[in-house]
Amino acid sequence: DAKTTQPPSMDCAEGRAANLPCNHSTISGNEYVYWYRQIHSQGPQYIIHGLKNNETNEMASLIITEDRKSSTLILPHATLRDTAVYYCIVRVGRNSGYALNFGKGTSLLVTP
Amino acid sequence: DAGITQSPRHKVTETGTPVTLRCHQTENHRYMYWYRQDPGHGLRLIHYSYGVKDTDKGEVSDGYSVSRSKTEDFLLTLESATSSQTSVYFCAISNEGLARNEQFFGPGTRLTVL
Repeated sequence: DAKTTQPPSMDCAEGRAANLPCNHSTISGNEYVYWYRQIHSQGPQYIIHGLKNNETNEMASLIITEDRKSSTLILPHATLRDTAVYYCIVRVGRNSGYALNFGKGTSLLVTP
Repeated sequence: DAGITQSPRHKVTETGTPVTLRCHQTENHRYMYWYRQDPGHGLRLIHYSYGVKDTDKGEVSDGYSVSRSKTEDFLLTLESATSSQTSVYFCAISNEGLARNEQFFGPGTRLTVL
């Protein structure tokens, strides 16, 4: 499976942009990049996904490098409620009903 | 929020007893999944279903069985619970199971096996 590499933890000041990096150098050409987050033991929540182009929605922006070997999730104005574990996922198990392959993610702490 | 409920939300049981966890959805989604999450780890797939009576194994299926007799319900059974099955269990659903489709997760069931 394609592996992702994320820093284990990051801090961000409230109101500032949070930029969460993810390396996925073995991604295949037709594989999407997904971001989910998990707030304090709740079920994971979908944030955004993309293939090649940068994407933006009401929650975040996703910047994917031209070679697709890495991406960055941007939370433009982080709030305390954005404190969570963020998972970057680039491989879904087609032989497992498209189940998500979670790693350990990045624990983001937003501070006042 | 997607209509997914899990029951029970918390359970304490003893080694060797059978346990059944229930996932119920009101979204009429085709795919349903059971994951487990252990401290310091991401979620790992136990079993999944791609339709009524259609199920298959995931990464960590040993010691677990599942059943799906109706679209809305997906049951996870531990035939004889062991302490290694102490974990938080999450159910998820998705509409078509396509690579670009998002999954919606339930609130989780915290199971403790003594």
